[in-house]
Amino acid sequence: GQQVMQIPQYQHVQEGEDFTTYCNSSTTLSNIQWYKQRPGGHPVFLIQLVKSGEVKKQKRLTFQFGEAKKNSSLHITATQTTDVGTYFCAGINDYKLSFGAGTTVTVRA
Amino acid sequence: SAVISQKPSRDICQRGTSLTIQCQVDSQVTMMFWYRQQPGQSLTLIATANQGSEATYESGFVIDKFPISRPNLTFSTLTVSNMSPEDSSIYLCSVVPPWTTLWETQYFGPGTRLLVL
Repeated sequence: GQQVMQIPQYQHVQEGEDFTTYCNSSTTLSNIQWYKQRPGGHPVFLIQLVKSGEVKKQKRLTFQFGEAKKNSSLHITATQTTDVGTYFCAGINDYKLSFGAGTTVTVRA
Repeated sequence: SAVISQKPSRDICQRGTSLTIQCQVDSQVTMMFWYRQQPGQSLTLIATANQGSEATYESGFVIDKFPISRPNLTFSTLTVSNMSPEDSSIYLCSVVPPWTTLWETQYFGPGTRLLVL
């Protein structure tokens, strides 16, 4: 079945620095979604990428879908304490989400 | 977005007992799912809750252990049966609202945090 791998598992970032989390699939994805889960919270939808090579931005967050539609990345610039949480990518097949392991982000002021 | 509530929000249970978790949505939705998130882990789909018919279970999950009801388009229950400590997890329901402009976007409930002793 579809497997989605995500790295790194943990990211400890100095406030103000940038970082990137990567997502790779064993199969070609029709589209990919990204979710954020704050500590003690539930996953919240961030964005969906559909087109090969697509790039979308949400303020300091930049999401990219690979040309082959088998990988994706989330880049956060000028990290803030509000960025703390776990970021999940999820591949979609017939409404079913296959989640990556997530990247847990902590920020040091 | 859809407003989703879950009951209970958390519980501590003894092994061998069963717990039924409720998921209520403020509007009618076709697609409803149940996920499990074990401590420090990612989310794993348990089943798709189908209105008026049996749930569709993913590999590794069976109806005897996780019976699901879906009596209407706004409500579903998940029962964790004959619990063991390995069932300690967060259980989340999610829905795909019919009005979403993004195909297949899922909205998650707040989750039920279960600890089995």
